[in-house]
Amino acid sequence: QQPVQSPQAVILREGEDAVINCSSSKALYSVHWYRQKHGEAPVFLMILLKGGEQKGHEKISASFNEKKQQSSLYLTASQLSYSGTYFCGTFHTSGGSYIPTFGRGTSLIVHP
Amino acid sequence: DVKVTQSSRYLVKRTGEKVFLECVQDMDHENMFWYRQDPGLGLRLIYFSYDVKMKEKGDIPEGYSVSREKKERFSLILESASTNQTSMYLCASSLDGSYEQYFGPGTRLTVT
Repeated sequence: QQPVQSPQAVILREGEDAVINCSSSKALYSVHWYRQKHGEAPVFLMILLKGGEQKGHEKISASFNEKKQQSSLYLTASQLSYSGTYFCGTFHTSGGSYIPTFGRGTSLIVHP
Repeated sequence: DVKVTQSSRYLVKRTGEKVFLECVQDMDHENMFWYRQDPGLGLRLIYFSYDVKMKEKGDIPEGYSVSREKKERFSLILESASTNQTSMYLCASSLDGSYEQYFGPGTRLTVT
């Protein structure tokens, strides 16, 4: 079952903040976040491996609550270049393999 | 930089044809994945492989098969293409099962 992302879409002005949430019904080993611009391949942003871990990448950071099986992506002081569709990818283990499952995506539009 | 290439950006096939989609990565990654991407549904895993000649079903394997004869190459096969297989197909590779995935540019397949 795909993780649930919310919201489905966000429209911002430059400089505003946004939070994208990802929630899974399965016990997770890790969470990935990717951004895909229109007509391009998804690009890796960050990975969270441990419960409660927070990682940052410039003005984009994320948290992972292993207990709640949830992750959130935080975009602060958004820039035009942040526009795109954001996907969370959750990984759970099964029979020694890591099985990736991606959410349906959150469309982020940043206006000047 | 990791490079993942796919044999075609655009492909048009007729119903019932056998279709081969090729994916090649140049970074000696163990793991390779095939996804299909449809509007509003995100990325859905078709098959993945953690080793040469090894394959595992993803969430939507019906109507597809795969082949991995060499480490760098992972092929997706549509035995008898149908119109509901019209989609964007993305290949990805990763060093290890839960590590970041590197995506190819995608193949937009249209089945008429």
